[in-house]
Amino acid sequence: GNSVTQMEGPVTLSEEAFLTINCTYTATGYPSLFWYVQYPGEGLQLLLKATKADDKGSNKGFEATYRKETTSFHLEKGSVQVSDSAVYFCALSDKTGANNLFFGTGTRLTVIP
Amino acid sequence: KAGVTQTPRYLIKTRGQQVTLSCSPISGHRSVSWYQQTPGQGLQFLFEYFSETQRNKGNFPGRFSGRQFSNSRSEMNVSTLELGDSALYLCASRTGGANNEQFFGPGTRLTVL
Repeated sequence: GNSVTQMEGPVTLSEEAFLTINCTYTATGYPSLFWYVQYPGEGLQLLLKATKADDKGSNKGFEATYRKETTSFHLEKGSVQVSDSAVYFCALSDKTGANNLFFGTGTRLTVIP
Repeated sequence: KAGVTQTPRYLIKTRGQQVTLSCSPISGHRSVSWYQQTPGQGLQFLFEYFSETQRNKGNFPGRFSGRQFSNSRSEMNVSTLELGDSALYLCASRTGGANNEQFFGPGTRLTVL
């Protein structure tokens, strides 16, 4: 079946620190992979995505590379800002036709000045 | 272009009652999916509607149902509410083809007392 395992939080970093949030997946076939971000009181926003092996998704300084060999899609950012404080969700969508998203448990990031 | 809208944003009900939540997708989007978000279970897929037909369903009891109208607006209904149904209910829309990005609404916060 499909599942996503995400690094437990919460994560607290100082401004300008390096961020890594680990995500591994189990899927039948070759899914599409996503990172979503949820700010307080809001719905989910797509942060970045990758649809095939070795693809790198990037947006707003965040990056993640689709690694088929390690079934991973780790989120990284070189220098976090206070405004990056949010909950981050790793997700996958299989390509067998269903297309619904399977989410990880979410990682709460707090960036302190 | 207006985003996904959900009404109401907040709702308080008592056990045994039923509730109807509404979602208006982005104009031109024919697929609407519903997700339940709780602290214990995280984000879980409820169902997806496309062109007024349920296309995919998650593992939820029959008390959870939905429908989609010809203008792509969707409603979900929960009957005989239980305390455990307290959650943030998120709606997402997309154009409907494979691997399209899903755009999420702000959610409806349901509290069951």
